[in-house]
Amino acid sequence: GAVVSQHPSWVICKSGTSVKIECRSLDFQATTMFWYRQFPKQSLMLMATSNEGSKATYEQGVEKDKFLINHASLTLSTLTVTSAHPEDSSFYICSARDLLAGGPTYEQYFGPGTRLTVT
Amino acid sequence: SQQGEEDPQALSIQEGENATMNCSYKTSINNLQWYRQNSGRGLVHLILIRSNEREKHSGRLRVTLDTSKKSSSLLITASRAADTASYFCATGGGSEKLVFGKGMKLTVNP
Repeated sequence: GAVVSQHPSWVICKSGTSVKIECRSLDFQATTMFWYRQFPKQSLMLMATSNEGSKATYEQGVEKDKFLINHASLTLSTLTVTSAHPEDSSFYICSARDLLAGGPTYEQYFGPGTRLTVT
Repeated sequence: SQQGEEDPQALSIQEGENATMNCSYKTSINNLQWYRQNSGRGLVHLILIRSNEREKHSGRLRVTLDTSKKSSSLLITASRAADTASYFCATGGGSEKLVFGKGMKLTVNP
């Protein structure tokens, strides 16, 4: 149980185009999903917190107009990188919390990541 | 800023040896978690230790937490080649954001 998928697993796009990455919780409902980015040999940095049915909360320094997040259902959140540039090339990872886990559980389940390369 | 910082950054050992990774953090916590990441993949949750716990075991993993020193350690005993991965500590979780340390790359040579 508690599987999170991401699609696509990797994508190459040209500079100036937009790319959408999907994050799905396959066997549980997630009111909250998180989006991280990871540069090579570095740690994960939280970009934004996505809550179902409401606007995402972005971390300081993350451009909300560039990284559009939509959490339209309890099992799907999307991250759209708009007008992508080579510096946006990175590994993007989402995570989700199980709504029904209840109690003070702290576990988040991570997707396998999406590698974006902007040429 | 990074909450947790692992040390050392990279560790190479032989199969069968033990591997110890340390993590320090700066603010008070409710819990601390350890994750593993295989190259180019997502994260796998290994173990969570709560602030009122001092030690926790899970299979070949042993985690300690010293809240007075704001530090934690992850010990992997009898390492295997399959343990080769990057390991991260993180504070927070659940509906709170996770703050990750820099990560430590472990290489277990067969």
